[in-house]
Amino acid sequence: DAKTTQPPSMDCAEGRAANLPCNHSTISGNEYVYWYRQIHSQGPQYIIHGLKNNETNEMASLIITEDRKSSTLILPHATLRDTAVYYCIVSVNNAGNMLTFGGGTRLMVKP
Amino acid sequence: GAVVSQHPSWVICKSGTSVKIECRSLDFQATTMFWYRQFPKQSLMLMATSNEGSKATYEQGVEKDKFLINHASLTLSTLTVTSAHPEDSSFYICSARTVAGGNIQYFGAGTRLSVL
Repeated sequence: DAKTTQPPSMDCAEGRAANLPCNHSTISGNEYVYWYRQIHSQGPQYIIHGLKNNETNEMASLIITEDRKSSTLILPHATLRDTAVYYCIVSVNNAGNMLTFGGGTRLMVKP
Repeated sequence: GAVVSQHPSWVICKSGTSVKIECRSLDFQATTMFWYRQFPKQSLMLMATSNEGSKATYEQGVEKDKFLINHASLTLSTLTVTSAHPEDSSFYICSARTVAGGNIQYFGAGTRLSVL
């Protein structure tokens, strides 16, 4: 699986958009970008994933650059409950693929 | 999203005893489940991949005789920590993959194991 690089920490004001970047310059053509988050002392929560097109769901938007070497997770209106560690993972999308977790970005949403 | 239930959420045991952790996919069938371990202030580390009806595949450095994995049905996988020692104290997390909807892995809430 391709390696990802994320900033170790970020702050965001409550109610503002949180933009979390991820670099994955060695991503392969068949690898997807997945985003998970882990709130303290809980299991990771799936947020969103995509291959090359931008994706949006009820939780977030995923913007993938045209060359697919980087992506940005956008939480449009961050709340205090969005404080968590956010993991960007690239992996092939098949029944047996495993997820390799890096260090992630610790997002602190402040009042 | 799909629901994965993990039980117990917290367990304290004496050194030398065995502890079983259950992972259930509640609303989908999971041919593949994964077990992770997370130490304080560290990221998740994959321990093993569990496939229904076959032997688990363990990651390098994980003792298969110490961490017994059974995936007897499409909705249940168990991890047994045998002869637990204080260094096995950790946060154990399972996940299950649903084929429907894009091979997404959904995670349980985790089990915090403290070995005295």
